[in-house]
Order: sequence, then structure tokens, then C-alpha cells
Amino acid sequence: NAGVTQTPKFQVLKTGQSMTLQCAQDMNHEYMSWYRQDPGMGLRLIHYSVGAGITDQGEVPNGYNVSRSTTEDFPLRLLSAAPSQTSVYFCASSRDSAINIQYFGAGTRLSVL
Amino acid sequence: KNEVEQSPQNLTAQEGEFITINCSYSVGISALHWLQQHPGGGIVSLFMLSSGKKKHGRLIATINIQEKHSSLHITASHPRDSAVYICAVPRMDSNYQLIWGAGTKLIIKP
Repeated sequence: NAGVTQTPKFQVLKTGQSMTLQCAQDMNHEYMSWYRQDPGMGLRLIHYSVGAGITDQGEVPNGYNVSRSTTEDFPLRLLSAAPSQTSVYFCASSRDSAINIQYFGAGTRLSVL
Repeated sequence: KNEVEQSPQNLTAQEGEFITINCSYSVGISALHWLQQHPGGGIVSLFMLSSGKKKHGRLIATINIQEKHSSLHITASHPRDSAVYICAVPRMDSNYQLIWGAGTKLIIKP
């Protein structure tokens, strides 16, 4: 069982570039979420999804887009990267909500120059 | 004031010591999570509990719903337990968002 898989592990972008962070889970989980973690800070929720076709904003959604066309995949898109988006990004999934056990991907370390 | 408070922020102990990390929250909750973030960055869920006590190996988590307080204990601590321990609770107005504690950085010296 692979669990939650994030790609890439590392990425360097120039300001203004766009990119997609991939997240896939093989546990048939309905709930998926994206967090960012800045140095010395806690996790902040960017977007989440409660099932295919259903997404909602979290605490810090600006500058990011998501979609959920399948149960397995929940990609995060940076539309026009800014240095303020330099962070470590984590994808997580759980059976159906934030109440249940959360399974995290290994993270993507993103630097925007 | 944060709705989830952890203490201590930092804890250094000798191998073998009994460790206690505390988490207090100000809202009514349906569940509380304890997670571990390794020095390499990976995050692992340790416990999800809504009442009483859970045990897994050398780790014990307890929760007192009336006092809005949870503790994570590590018995016979080992250097490999060195990590950041984080508690989190679902928001009262949404089961889809967690309120995160700031984390407790634990270092166990050999």
C-alpha cells in the first residue's frame, strides 16, 4: 500500500512561473487536504476536498487552485509563483473528514526565486 | 489566544526518562489528534482519541474532555523519539478543518 504519494519532492521556480504539485492516495479516502508549513511555524490549510468534484478553501487559499476529478488525485496548482510561496507543502488524506486519522505525504519542498 | 496550546515548546531529556507533553484546547471537540514530525520532515499520525486513554508501544495518550486537556506520554524515551509532537483538534464549526498546536520539539540525549 503506497498511502499518500506527493511529487515532486523538491522544486525550484522563478517568480511568475506556474506549476502543479501532485498528490495521489490509494486508500479510497474521500477527504484530502493541502497544507503549507513555513520555517518554525505550524501547518496551515490551503484547500481541502470532501470527495470528487467538491473542494473548499482553507485558511490560506490565495494564489492556489485545486480540483478533484477523481477520488485518488488532488493536485495543487500555483498560478503565478511568488517568493512568499516558498514553503514545504504537505498533502493529507483521511476516510471522510478531519476527525479521522490523517495520512500525510512526504512533502514537497518548494523554493521560489 | 490560540485555541490549541501545547506545552512545553521545547523539551530536552536524557535517554530513559519519562516524557509528558501537554495540549489544552478552548473549544468543545469530537476528537483530538497527536502527530509526530520527524527531523526529516515526515508527519505521522500517532493517535486519534475522543475519550479515555490509548497506548501504542511506549506511547500513551490521554484525554480529559471536561478539563479540555490531553497529554502524550513517552516511557523509556530513546534518541529516536526526538521529533516535533503536534496536537490538533477539529474546528467546532467544521469537521473538515483542524486547529493545530504549535508543536513541542523533543530532544532525547543518549
